Amino acid sequence: AQKVTQAQTEISVVEKEDVTLDCVYETRDTTYYLFWYKQPPSGELVFLIRRNSFDEQNEISGRYSWNFQKSTSSFNFTITASQVVDSAVYFCALMNTGFQKLVFGTGTRLLVSP
Amino acid sequence: EAQVTQNPRYLITVTGKKLTVTCSQNMNHEYMSWYRQDPGLGLRQIYYSMNVEVTDKGDVPEGYKVSRKEKRNFPLILESPSPNQTSLYFCASSEQGLRPQHFGDGTRLSIL
Repeated sequence: AQKVTQAQTEISVVEKEDVTLDCVYETRDTTYYLFWYKQPPSGELVFLIRRNSFDEQNEISGRYSWNFQKSTSSFNFTITASQVVDSAVYFCALMNTGFQKLVFGTGTRLLVSP
Repeated sequence: EAQVTQNPRYLITVTGKKLTVTCSQNMNHEYMSWYRQDPGLGLRQIYYSMNVEVTDKGDVPEGYKVSRKEKRNFPLILESPSPNQTSLYFCASSEQGLRPQHFGDGTRLSIL
């Protein structure tokens, strides 16, 4: 069975701090995809990144970076120099290629104060 | 503009009164899916569809029905809604299941 765990329910930081959101997943399959989505206070879901299980290269996009480690089944998300606009709920998700089902974690609420 | 459109955005109704939440996408995507979002539980998949006339259950299908008669539409049907189906619902679509999914803006349902 697939499972995604986001142990951090809520994180509060002050602007310009770096923050890491943890994501741990469980799957028996060797081929799978991992995703991060952002849900700002307005409620929509915004795609941030997709990573397949064969690509363990870390990725950086501006202030965002992702660290994928198969050895620890983790796909952590770091925001550098956080800004108030980063305040949102962030979801990690896992999709197994065989079942085409997307399993979400419970989300981490990030509050960035000025 | 590429989009996934859900209607209605908000609905308050009563137990047992059949309702349908529509979902339409204009991107010619094969894959469509419904999720519900509840506090502390994240998003859970209700049903998904790989293509026209092909649907399958997600993790929480009980009490819901779907149909995929046309590629662009994927309605969610609650035949006899109950209060435990009060939730925020999202429809999503993608070129295929592995591609990033485009989400609609959500439908907030309250079943009294």
